[in-house]
Amino acid sequence: DAGITQSPRYKITETGRQVTLMCHQTWSHSYMFWYRQDLGHGLRLIYYSAAADITDKGEVPDGYVVSRSKTENFPLTLESATRSQTSVYFCASRGDTQYFGPGTRLTVL
Amino acid sequence: AQSVSQHNHHVILSEAASLELGCNYSYGGTVNLFWYVQYPGQHLQLLLKYFSGDPLVKGIKGFEAEFIKSKFSFNLRKPSVQWSDTAEYFCAVGNTNAGKSTFGDGTTLTVKP
Repeated sequence: DAGITQSPRYKITETGRQVTLMCHQTWSHSYMFWYRQDLGHGLRLIYYSAAADITDKGEVPDGYVVSRSKTENFPLTLESATRSQTSVYFCASRGDTQYFGPGTRLTVL
Repeated sequence: AQSVSQHNHHVILSEAASLELGCNYSYGGTVNLFWYVQYPGQHLQLLLKYFSGDPLVKGIKGFEAEFIKSKFSFNLRKPSVQWSDTAEYFCAVGNTNAGKSTFGDGTTLTVKP
């Protein structure tokens, strides 16, 4: 099915562990994005990518790493998770507008 | 840099009441404007968008928005809300060239049956 998927949907981890959130889209959209959603802050852009092998920082990139070796995949890695990274993470891709994935709820203990 | 301001953080209405959610943006160039809705526990979905042309834009589920360039505004309206409209609403502005959008902090709408 066409669309944008994220995995896992729920993740609990501990401080200091590495976590990778996966995002996959089937439209071959050039642009992909990672946002985090927190109460009182709306959606904040973490990283985005204009094409394979092209990535750029968003508003809140610290503590996150991205890669984009293939157009359809845009994984987000928390190299050493902190409690402040507890959030809901949304991946999106852009055609005529942005299409959002279902989100990953990450809890860092 | 572009920015978006949503004035109402939480709006509570009774069913059949009229709705208007404010959105102002800051950007000097040509912008694309969007309203997204997020129902409880779900991801964001597009309600409507403005790229060019008629400044009154109609979207899904009876929503509409008016782009007023002189006021840098893109307010969302619905003449009669339903309980099922309870959700969080996000205004966003996109740069036509950069591909990325900036989102407002969101407005939580609660509709009482």
